[in-house]
Amino acid sequence: DAKTTQPTSMDCAEGRAANLPCNHSTISGNEYVYWYRQIHSQGPQYIIHGLKNNETNEMASLIITEDRKSSTLILPHATLRDTAVYYCIVRVWNTGNQFYFGTGTSLTVIP
Amino acid sequence: GAVVSQHPSRVICKSGTSVKIECRSLDFQATTMFWYRQFPKQSLMLMATSNEGSKATYEQGVEKDKFLINHASLTLSTLTVTSAHPEDSSFYICSARGQRGADTQYFGPGTRLTVL
Repeated sequence: DAKTTQPTSMDCAEGRAANLPCNHSTISGNEYVYWYRQIHSQGPQYIIHGLKNNETNEMASLIITEDRKSSTLILPHATLRDTAVYYCIVRVWNTGNQFYFGTGTSLTVIP
Repeated sequence: GAVVSQHPSRVICKSGTSVKIECRSLDFQATTMFWYRQFPKQSLMLMATSNEGSKATYEQGVEKDKFLINHASLTLSTLTVTSAHPEDSSFYICSARGQRGADTQYFGPGTRLTVL
C-alpha cells in the first residue's frame, strides 16, 4: 500500500471548516483513500473513502486531486467534538488486507 | 455504521497472569478481524489478522505464543495475553471487516491493559 504524509498537527476555530491535507504521491490506480479518526482513548472511527471522485457524507467531504496524488478531508463546521487524530490511509479496495496507520494529524478545535 | 464491541474496556492484572480480551461484531458477520496495539502518543500497530475458522497471521515481531488469538465464530474473536508483563501494558483495539463487498473496517472501543 502506498505511503501517506500528513501534517503532525492543526488547529481550527469552532464553527469553521477544517481542511486536513494528505499527500499520497505514490498511489496506484486501484488504491482508495480512506480517512479514519481517533478521539482520545477510543477506537478509530470510519469517516469516508474514495477512489477518484469527490465524496460527501454526513460527516465530511473528501476532495481528491485529479492526479490523485493528494487529497483533503473537509469537516464543514468543526465542533469541539471533532478534536481527534485524523488518519489518511491508502489501500487497495476489497483485498481483505489490514489497514496500516501512519502518525496522522492531531486536529484541535478551538472554542 | 456497523458496531464492534470489546470487553473488558479496562483491565488491571498482576505480572505473570493471563488476560483475555473479547471482540464482537454486533450487527454483522465479520469474516476477518484484526488486532492492534497502541502505546501512549503513538499510532496503532497491527499485531495480527484473524480469519474465522483458521489460524491467525501475525505481524513480524509479534509472538504468537504470547498473544493467542481465537476466531471461532463470525462474530467473536478473542486475544489472550499470556503471562503478561508490565511492558505489555497498552491499549488493545480490534477491528472487524464484513463479508465480500463490505470492505470498510469497523473498530472496537479498545481495551486498556495495565500490568502491575
